[in-house]
Amino acid sequence: EAGVAQSPRYKIIEKRQSVAFWCNPISGHATLYWYQQILGQGPKLLIQFQNNGVVDDSQLPKDRFSAERLKGVDSTLKIQPAKLEDSAVYLCASSMRVGEAKNIQYFGAGTRLSVL
Amino acid sequence: GENVEQHPSTLSVQEGDSAVIKCTYSDSASNYFPWYKQELGKRPQLIIDIRSNVGEKKDQRIAVTLNKTAKHFSLHITETQPEDSAVYFCAASKLIDFGNEKLTFGTGTRLTIIP
Repeated sequence: EAGVAQSPRYKIIEKRQSVAFWCNPISGHATLYWYQQILGQGPKLLIQFQNNGVVDDSQLPKDRFSAERLKGVDSTLKIQPAKLEDSAVYLCASSMRVGEAKNIQYFGAGTRLSVL
Repeated sequence: GENVEQHPSTLSVQEGDSAVIKCTYSDSASNYFPWYKQELGKRPQLIIDIRSNVGEKKDQRIAVTLNKTAKHFSLHITETQPEDSAVYFCAASKLIDFGNEKLTFGTGTRLTIIP
């Protein structure tokens, strides 16, 4: 079974530039998550989708971050404009909604963003 | 919102000894507690989980215990091996709406196994 795919793996940009990340979840997983993991910290949830609807975006800095999952499969996360403090690994995860397995989240390898 | 505290932040143990990592959570509505292992530069991977209707779960050298009354849960690794060296994250999950759960992670424990 293919895992969660993310691209790019690394991105270096200057502050005030824009950047976009892409995620393809595990086939059949209805729920998709974007996390921000700053060095030395645990992942922090930015946004959670159920199919193509937003379930929780309470911790998404909406003045600069946006995310979409138009067809309920792939998702993109955008930062515009980037700030130095956005330097982090951006992790995508997905989970099923069937029985006991629905809580288990599977993570992608992440995109490491460096803002200079 | 939910707050998950994790201790210690770093832990070094001799190979073959046991390691214990402890977490506390604040929201009594949390009902699912997974543990993730993250090796350097790699994705977090689920190693064990426990639900609120169970007090203890074991999988070979790894075990997790849950005390709902005290709102704390712990990861126990016995007979540690060099490949156990990684950062371990605890997490607490609760239902938010429409059958969706929200996962809140602890700050992580860097475990180093000394050969």
